[in-house]
Amino acid sequence: AQSVTQPDIHITVSEGASLELRCNYSYGATPYLFWYVQSPGQGLQLLLKYFSGDTLVQGIKGFEAEFKRSQSSFNLRKPSVHWSDAAEYFCAVGALINYGGSQGNLIFGKGTKLSVKP
Amino acid sequence: NAGVTQTPKFQVLKTGQSMTLQCAQDMNHNSMYWYRQDPGMGLRLIYYSASEGTTDKGEVPNGYNVSRLNKREFSLRLESAAPSQTSVYFCASSEDRGDINEKLFFGSGTQLSVL
Repeated sequence: AQSVTQPDIHITVSEGASLELRCNYSYGATPYLFWYVQSPGQGLQLLLKYFSGDTLVQGIKGFEAEFKRSQSSFNLRKPSVHWSDAAEYFCAVGALINYGGSQGNLIFGKGTKLSVKP
Repeated sequence: NAGVTQTPKFQVLKTGQSMTLQCAQDMNHNSMYWYRQDPGMGLRLIYYSASEGTTDKGEVPNGYNVSRLNKREFSLRLESAAPSQTSVYFCASSEDRGDINEKLFFGSGTQLSVL
């Protein structure tokens, strides 16, 4: 079955430090992979997406992610974290899902909450 | 530049009461979605509408109904609210559901508490 695992529920990093958020997926076919960010009290916003081609994907706000097929991973990285990056981050896989005759769209991980220390 | 607008932002209901969550998008998108977000559960799809006039069940449709009123609006109704429906509800839209690589645009959410 299709699934997305984000192993870290909560991560705290110091401002200026590097960041890596982990994401592992399970999907039979070539995956479409996404990272969304949710700031407090807001809806989700797309950071970046991977469909095919270059396995290193650049996104908004200085984020990047690397697709590694052999590890079924799509980890999100940022070289230097800013206080404004404090938010919850969701990894998602685009999948054709049968909900008893219907088809869905994205399967989301449970999220990783990022806190940034001054 | 509104994007996806949800109302209300907050709501408290008593068990058994009914209510409708409203969602409208101004991006001329074909597809619209309702998700619920619970702590430690991520987002789960309740219902979606691939195009005007069609609706389909998602992962957790029980206890909900939806209406795609027109291309802009997609409402979610709780006929008899239960405490298990306490959650944050998000409406989203995308240009065309025909491809699973669609970018979703989200509203800012409705925080619902059922007592």
